Amino acid sequence: EAGVVQSPRYKIIEKKQPVAFWCNPISGHNTLYWYRQNLGQGPELLIRYENEEAVDDSQLPKDRFSAERLKGVDSTLKIQPAELGDSAVYLCASSSGISGRTDTQYFGPGTRLTVL
Amino acid sequence: AQSVSQHNHHVILSEAASLELGCNYSYGGTVNLFWYVQYPGQHLQLLLKYFSGDPLVKGIKGFEAEFIKSKFSFNLRKPSVQWSDTAEYFCAVRNDYKLSFGAGTTVTVRA
Repeated sequence: EAGVVQSPRYKIIEKKQPVAFWCNPISGHNTLYWYRQNLGQGPELLIRYENEEAVDDSQLPKDRFSAERLKGVDSTLKIQPAELGDSAVYLCASSSGISGRTDTQYFGPGTRLTVL
Repeated sequence: AQSVSQHNHHVILSEAASLELGCNYSYGGTVNLFWYVQYPGQHLQLLLKYFSGDPLVKGIKGFEAEFIKSKFSFNLRKPSVQWSDTAEYFCAVRNDYKLSFGAGTTVTVRA
């Protein structure tokens, strides 16, 4: 079974440029998460989707970050414009959404963003 | 807001030594507890999880963890480590749907 797929794996951009990350969750997983992991820290949730609905985006900096999951499968996270402090690893995770509170999240390899 | 504390930032030990990584959380309600591992160059992988029942849970690769509710702790243990256990270990706590991670502990096992 294929795991969570993310692309690109690495991205280097200059500040003020836009950037987008793509995620394809495990087949059949209804719940999708985007996390940001700063150096030396654990992942922090940015947004959670149940199918195509963003059910928790309270931690998403909405002035520059946006996300979509139009058909309830793959998802895109965008930053526009990027700032130096956005340098981090952006992780996507998915879970089946069937078990509710006992769901287990499975993580992709992440996209390492460097903003110069 | 809940928080997760991992006591050690970096642990260095020799092969065959025993390992114990501490994890404490602040939330007082019902929680689910996880340990994830990230091997060099790889993605986060689930090591073990606790939802309910026996507070001593066994995971993959000989790891186990004990949930002590009164201490708000979920410490990870392995009686004899191998060089291949070199990795970063993250404790995570879920309350409702929100998963909160500790800062991680880097474990270096010397051959």
